[in-house]
Amino acid sequence: EAQVTQNPRYLITVTGKKLTVTCSQNMNHEYMSWYRQDPGLGLRQIYYSMNVEVTDKGDVPEGYKVSRKEKRNFPLILESPSPNQTSLYFCASSLLGQGAEKLFFGSGTQLSVL
Amino acid sequence: AQTVTQSQPEMSVQEAETVTLSCTYDTSESDYYLFWYKQPPSRQMILVIRQEAYKQQNATENRFSVNFQKAAKSFSLKISDSQLGDAAMYFCAYRRYNDMRFGAGTRLTVKP
Repeated sequence: EAQVTQNPRYLITVTGKKLTVTCSQNMNHEYMSWYRQDPGLGLRQIYYSMNVEVTDKGDVPEGYKVSRKEKRNFPLILESPSPNQTSLYFCASSLLGQGAEKLFFGSGTQLSVL
Repeated sequence: AQTVTQSQPEMSVQEAETVTLSCTYDTSESDYYLFWYKQPPSRQMILVIRQEAYKQQNATENRFSVNFQKAAKSFSLKISDSQLGDAAMYFCAYRRYNDMRFGAGTRLTVKP
């Protein structure tokens, strides 16, 4: 089954404790991206990647890191989480193109930073 | 920068009736794609409908249709014969290559 697997689904942590949210896709997609969803703001792009070792900043990259060492994986790293990073996070992937390609989303990670 | 605006934070519709969700966007590009996504309480993001900017014909998917006005940069979603399962948050989105932008969302309530 074609899918984007995102883990964990829920995460509660404390300020400053490094964490990683994993994202993996089994569709051989070149494009992968991370979003955060906040009430009244919709989804905002954090980082995206067009292929292995190719990543770029989205609209809200501060406080986040990503890596793309393998085509299928695109983890999101919070080196020193802060309470303003409490949010719902989504990973997504698609084929690379002009923009018509369907975006496949993971099931989301609800992160709370205390 | 491209922006997507959904001016209706909440909407309500009676079951079997029709409802229209509004969306406007701002871009200087001529080739792009517009989407409506549905997010039920499960948090899953579900693609409802897609529109290519170069196509004048409005996209339709069963009970869902759009009114795409390119000059006005407007992209509204019409849901006909509303069902209880249509209750969700709806996001309008714009995409051009790597640039993907979402509106703030409209929460749709369906009354039995």
